Amino acid sequence: EPEVTQTPSHQVTQMGQEVILRCVPISNHLYFYWYRQILGQKVEFLVSFYNNEISEKSEIFDDQFSVERPDGSNFTLKIRSTKLEDSAMYFCASSEVGRTQYFGPGTRLTVL
Amino acid sequence: AQTVTQSQPEMSVQEAETVTLSCTYDTSESDYYLFWYKQPPSRQMILVIRQEAYKQQNATENRFSVNFQKAAKSFSLKISDSQLGDAAMYFCAYRRASGSARQLTFGSGTQLTVLP
Repeated sequence: EPEVTQTPSHQVTQMGQEVILRCVPISNHLYFYWYRQILGQKVEFLVSFYNNEISEKSEIFDDQFSVERPDGSNFTLKIRSTKLEDSAMYFCASSEVGRTQYFGPGTRLTVL
Repeated sequence: AQTVTQSQPEMSVQEAETVTLSCTYDTSESDYYLFWYKQPPSRQMILVIRQEAYKQQNATENRFSVNFQKAAKSFSLKISDSQLGDAAMYFCAYRRASGSARQLTFGSGTQLTVLP
């Protein structure tokens, strides 16, 4: 059964450093998403991506964040200058048009 | 803006018994989707069940079923014959059916413990 994959599973970085989180969505899906979950809190929407551009973004998704689909398979989330409060679990998800979103296993980001 | 509320932060159930997790939501939309996702200790988000608002029939998936009350904006999850592997955090989620807004809005979650 096809699934969303994410790498790395755990990323540790120093405050102020740039990080890139990677995702490989399910191959026939056209919509891609990033969500984050700070430990002990609810899952929050960051951004959605369709047809090579951002279709929606939340207030959390400020200028420090960017997304890219550099090739036909990867979907990345970049945080330019990480802050302590960026420490969270980051989930990638993908879906067909108007269909259920399937989540990857997540990347745990720890900012020191 | 849509909101999703889960009023039970924690629930417990005896193995083989039945438990119901509550969820209410607020929306002005008439067409939307509702979901229950399960998050075990591994923290992966796993889809449990999905309900289309235009369908009157409640969705079922094996031991999992929902009670969807559209007028009351209520969407509860019933787990029958609970198993130890059902222990997890359960999130209720909402998504509009139309327009570009396809983001999921999640509730705060219910931590389910299954007692042997």
